Amino acid sequence: GDSVTQMEGPVTLSEEAFLTINCTYTATGYPSLFWYVQYPGEGLQLLLKATKADDKGSNKGFEATYRKETTSFHLEKGSVQVSDSAVYFCALSGGGNQFYFGTGTSLTVIP
Amino acid sequence: SQTIHQWPATLVQPVGSPLSLECTVEGTSNPNLYWYRQAAGRGLQLLFYSVGIGQISSEVPQNLSASRPQDRQFILSSKKLLLSDSGFYLCAWRGGQSNEKLFFGSGTQLSVL
Repeated sequence: GDSVTQMEGPVTLSEEAFLTINCTYTATGYPSLFWYVQYPGEGLQLLLKATKADDKGSNKGFEATYRKETTSFHLEKGSVQVSDSAVYFCALSGGGNQFYFGTGTSLTVIP
Repeated sequence: SQTIHQWPATLVQPVGSPLSLECTVEGTSNPNLYWYRQAAGRGLQLLFYSVGIGQISSEVPQNLSASRPQDRQFILSSKKLLLSDSGFYLCAWRGGQSNEKLFFGSGTQLSVL
C-alpha cells in the first residue's frame, strides 16, 4: 500500500544553518505530496504541497520538489530560525480517501 | 470560513473506563473526516475516516471505534480504555480548492493511567 518514509530525528541546528529533511514515498499512481508542521501543543498545519511531478512547493522560506524518478519530496530551508523549531511531517494522498503521514522529524534550532 | 472544533483538549482516564472524543466542523457540508493518533515516537497513525453519515472506514484493528451521527460530527469512542490508548488524538477534515488537503483540529491529549 501507499506509505511515506521520513528521516529520523531529532535534528538540532544552529540559527541560520541549512536544513534538509528527507522524505521518500511509495504509491501506486500519482499521489499529491505534502509537508505539515506541528508547533508545540498544537495540531498540524499545512506548510507546502505539490500535486504533480517536478512541482515545487514553497512557503515561509521552505521548499520541496516532487521528484518522481527518485520518489522523493525532501524539505529544505536555506537559513533556519529559532521559530522554525517544530515537528515536520511528510504526507501523501493517493487516489483514495486516505492521507498517509511519515513518523515526523523533530527540529530544534538553537540561537 | 471553515473551522474545526475538537474537545476536550486534555483528558486523564483510568484503565477500563469508556472514552468519547468529539469533533465538529463548521462552514462546510459533507466533508471527509479523519481521526489520527500521534503516539510518542510513532508518528501519525490514521485510525478512521468517514466520507458521509454512518460511513466509517477503519485503518487498523484496535480498541477504538468511530461514529458519524451527523454530517459534520465525528466521534471517537472506546468501551474500555487500555494503557496503550494513550496519545495525542487529532481530528481533521479534507478541504481546499481541489479538496486536496487536510485541516486539523487542535488535538486531545489522552493519558490512560
